[in-house]
Amino acid sequence: EPEVTQTPSHQVTQMGQEVILRCVPISNHLYFYWYRQILGQKVEFLVSFYNNEISEKSEIFDDQFSVERPDGSNFTLKIRSTKLEDSAMYFCASSEWDGRNEQFFGPGTRLTVL
Amino acid sequence: SQQGEEDPQALSIQEGENATMNCSYKTSINNLQWYRQNSGRGLVHLILIRSNEREKHSGRLRVTLDTSKKSSSLLITASRAADTASYFCATPTGANSKLTFGKGITLSVRP
Repeated sequence: EPEVTQTPSHQVTQMGQEVILRCVPISNHLYFYWYRQILGQKVEFLVSFYNNEISEKSEIFDDQFSVERPDGSNFTLKIRSTKLEDSAMYFCASSEWDGRNEQFFGPGTRLTVL
Repeated sequence: SQQGEEDPQALSIQEGENATMNCSYKTSINNLQWYRQNSGRGLVHLILIRSNEREKHSGRLRVTLDTSKKSSSLLITASRAADTASYFCATPTGANSKLTFGKGITLSVRP
């Protein structure tokens, strides 16, 4: 069964460093999302992406964040200058149509900022 | 309360018993989705119920939706230890239907 994959599974970085989190959505899906979950808290939406552009972003998704679909398969989230409070689990999701259908989530990348 | 709020926050039952979890939401929805998350892992989609549906089944899962009360329930029948996880309801909102999650329910099934 097709699934969303994410790499790395765990990333440790120093505050101020740039990180790139990678996702490979399900191949025929058209809508892509990033969410994050700070330990013990709810899953929060970051950004949605469709037709090679951002369609919606949350207040969390400030200028330090960017997303890209550099080729036909990868979907990346970049954090330019990480802060301690960026430590969280980051989930990528994709949907065949928009979110009015199921969103399929990857296993997540645990980001630890020291 | 926020969109997609579950109760109870925690539930502990014996294997074989049924588990009922509730979710309330505030705004009109197109559908409501339930997800499971095992500790430290990703979110697994369980079931989606559309606003014109009242009840839906999938294996041991039964979901109901009451749009007049803006609430949904997830019933897991004949629970197993492997059902131990956090369960979230989520509703799509916005341009491309981003999901808004509740805080989740921690279900513990004792063997």
